[in-house]
Amino acid sequence: RKEVEQDPGPFNVPEGATVAFNCTYSNSASQSFFWYRQDCRKEPKLLMSVYSSGNEDGRFTAQLNRASQYISLLIRDSKLSDSATYLCVVNLSGGYNKLIFGAGTRLAVHP
Amino acid sequence: DAMVIQNPRYQVTQFGKPVTLSCSQTLNHNVMYWYQQKSSQAPKLLFHYYDKDFNNEADTPDNFQSRRPNTSFCFLDIRSPGLGDAAMYLCATSNPSYPLEQYFGPGTRLTVT
Repeated sequence: RKEVEQDPGPFNVPEGATVAFNCTYSNSASQSFFWYRQDCRKEPKLLMSVYSSGNEDGRFTAQLNRASQYISLLIRDSKLSDSATYLCVVNLSGGYNKLIFGAGTRLAVHP
Repeated sequence: DAMVIQNPRYQVTQFGKPVTLSCSQTLNHNVMYWYQQKSSQAPKLLFHYYDKDFNNEADTPDNFQSRRPNTSFCFLDIRSPGLGDAAMYLCATSNPSYPLEQYFGPGTRLTVT
């Protein structure tokens, strides 16, 4: 079983749509959680951290359910510029900062 | 304004011919990481340096080596590249004071012929 699992997509949605991505992680010792965005042939960039209480950044809302080991990302009012791959990332507790990446969910927003 | 720089951006090497990828940073971060990312796959951590302390992931092949001569620079050496080593290689850095945020370079795309 992969440590971080995501639906690979692609999700094809029209502009203005709301889209939700899900992610599950296998290690209950995971301490911190993130969503990264990766454009085609570019490096990953931090989109947002995910907190147990849930957090929002503009059109983006992230949720964490530790009991179910489940993370979500909701994008409202999708823009063409949101087209990218969204990587779910967890950090294991331990002596150093090891990030475990999911393979990503691809989003394509069309006019 | 670049913070993590990788050179070259594209590298073509022949099967079995050693290749070196380089990474430099202007952030003065203590920790530097090398990831391998194959098409449609997750970035996979190969190793990292905390200052000069080298930490190899258990499943990183011996074919991959790294050097960090100073804080700013880190190199990835692939001693005998195979076709399966074709991938994007990403360098990242982090500051122990804010350990959870990693800054990635633009990557080097390696092709093995």
